[in-house]
Amino acid sequence: NAGVTQTPKFQVLKTGQSMTLQCAQDMNHEYMSWYRQDPGMGLRLIHYSVGAGITDQGEVPNGYNVSRSTTEDFPLRLLSAAPSQTSVYFCASSHRQPFYTSFDTQYFGPGTRLTVL
Amino acid sequence: EDQVTQSPEALRLQEGESSSLNCSYTVSGLRGLFWYRQDPGKGPEFLFTLYSAGEEKEKERLKATLTKKESFLHITAPKPEDSATYLCAVLDNQGGKLIFGQGTELSVKP
Repeated sequence: NAGVTQTPKFQVLKTGQSMTLQCAQDMNHEYMSWYRQDPGMGLRLIHYSVGAGITDQGEVPNGYNVSRSTTEDFPLRLLSAAPSQTSVYFCASSHRQPFYTSFDTQYFGPGTRLTVL
Repeated sequence: EDQVTQSPEALRLQEGESSSLNCSYTVSGLRGLFWYRQDPGKGPEFLFTLYSAGEEKEKERLKATLTKKESFLHITAPKPEDSATYLCAVLDNQGGKLIFGQGTELSVKP
């Protein structure tokens, strides 16, 4: 199993450009989520999905879109990049939500480091 | 408002010098507290889940404990390979989302 994979590892954008961060998992997990990690802020939830075709907003959703057409993939779209979106982005997956048992452990991808100029 | 605060922000230890990391939380009705380890340039890696006050879990040199207000991650006789950032998180009051603390950066020198 590859676990949770993310591409690209690094990306530099100019303000106003759009792009998609890719996330895939091969563990047949129903629950997938996107976080951003900023210095001194901890990990903050952007969007999440409890299964194919179902998505919902997290703590900081503005400026980001998601869709979940398959169980395996959960891409994150930046519609018009802004310098405030400079961050490290992590995708995570688990069997289900909420995380009531160790069976529901979240597995994180390696991250995408995004810089918006 | 659900909140998680970790202390200290950074901790420097000598190899073999035991210590503890603290995670204080405010959430109405704790449904789960999680500890993760994060190495530089990598994603968080799951360590423990604690569900009720008094619960303890161990893994190698790490031991996590939980009270009604806080959790401790005890590190016994640490080695340089234990150097990492340790993250604490709790389930929000609806039980569906994780609220993370800022993390404690641990450095263990030989």
